[in-house]
Amino acid sequence: QVQLVQSGAEVRKPGASVKVSCKASGYTFIHYYIHWVRQAPGQGLEWMGWINPNAGNTNYAQKFQGRVTMTRDTSVSTAYMELSSLRSDDTAVYYCEAYSPNSPFDYWGQGTLVTVSS
Amino acid sequence: DIVMAQSPLSLPVTLGQPASISCRPSQSLVHSDGDTYLNWYQQRPGQSPRRLIYQVSRRDSGVPDRFSGSGSGTDFTLKISRVEAEDVGVYYCMPGTHWLPNTFGQGTKLEIK
Repeated sequence: QVQLVQSGAEVRKPGASVKVSCKASGYTFIHYYIHWVRQAPGQGLEWMGWINPNAGNTNYAQKFQGRVTMTRDTSVSTAYMELSSLRSDDTAVYYCEAYSPNSPFDYWGQGTLVTVSS
Repeated sequence: DIVMAQSPLSLPVTLGQPASISCRPSQSLVHSDGDTYLNWYQQRPGQSPRRLIYQVSRRDSGVPDRFSGSGSGTDFTLKISRVEAEDVGVYYCMPGTHWLPNTFGQGTKLEIK
């Protein structure tokens, strides 16, 4: 069965960076884009960007340009999202999602809580 | 960026009654291939989101047929024909594309009256 398993919770100080991983299994990793979405406590969903695991190209939300880097390692079917210059308002649950825009394929990771606190 | 205007933001519904959520994007979601790409997501309390609908009206695997999507242009609707207790949560619309900057609607919180 398809699974996206994310890395565990992280605590960082303001100004630091965090790298979250998303390991895919049960399907061909390079066939579906990976999107990253975050959700601050009590807030709605916020789209951060995507990576095409096949070519490695990315598309980031303007809000995160210059602070976010999405990468992948096809040898271990894993996508990564690194966010730098962390601020307290980056405290959120970060999700990865693999989906097709035109077929019934949509899977989410369990979420990774990133807490930014001094 | 596209703005996805959802309404209502709060939706109290009696069990067994229908519910409807509107989503109005600030620009067309029609791709050059002629298809329109609009997703609906459900997020139950304490859970990861899941997609219910893609390409306006196509249901994802395992989604009950009481959920339906419709619309065109810049006016889309998610309908639940008869609300059940397990439908409680927050519903979001989002352009379902890889060629536009994506953004979620504000979310509609469905609760049982």
